[in-house]
Amino acid sequence: DGGITQSPKYLFRKEGQNVTLSCEQNLNHDAMYWYRQDPGQGLRLIYYSQIVNDFQKGDIAEGYSVSREKKESFPLTVTSAQKNPTAFYLCASSYRVNSYGYTFGSGTRLTVV
Amino acid sequence: DAKTTQPNSMESNEEEPVHLPCNHSTISGTDYIHWYRQLPSQGPEYVIHGLTSNVNNRMASLAIAEDRKSSTLILHRATLRDAAVYYCILRDANFGNEKLTFGTGTRLTIIP
Repeated sequence: DGGITQSPKYLFRKEGQNVTLSCEQNLNHDAMYWYRQDPGQGLRLIYYSQIVNDFQKGDIAEGYSVSREKKESFPLTVTSAQKNPTAFYLCASSYRVNSYGYTFGSGTRLTVV
Repeated sequence: DAKTTQPNSMESNEEEPVHLPCNHSTISGTDYIHWYRQLPSQGPEYVIHGLTSNVNNRMASLAIAEDRKSSTLILHRATLRDAAVYYCILRDANFGNEKLTFGTGTRLTIIP
């Protein structure tokens, strides 16, 4: 079955450590996205990538980094520069045509202690 | 970026129709209207989308106003599994402008 996989589902890290969240899709989608969601809030865009080896900052990119070396993969690194990293992180993908919807992963809940 | 406005919460009785409104007064001519829903601790799930004409699929119907400044997601017969947060968003036809904004959505409660 085609889909988008985020791992791990739960992640705990100590303050000051970098951590990388995985996102893989086998839908042959061109574009991939990372969103952050805080309790009771909507989704905020961190980074997005339309094609391999290219990505753009979203609204809250500070303290995060990404790479897009393969079409299927779009990992997100939460760096120590991110002031409040504890959140629910969602990855999504889509075709490069706006008449299609997004497919979301099931999310990674990151807790920094 | 064109924004959408939705009520914070709505309630509906089980097996009754539900009409979830969304205002998007600054919509551009090439923006598609998308609806997603999110269950607790899960990623959003695509529900339906449209441009100008009303749309139907197995999950719901989308009614779009003639001036496109508002739309309504219709769940024809609500079940307890429809309890979720529903997001209405606009997707720009110009792919370079991909800064989609998800608001806080409408939290739908289904009363048994």
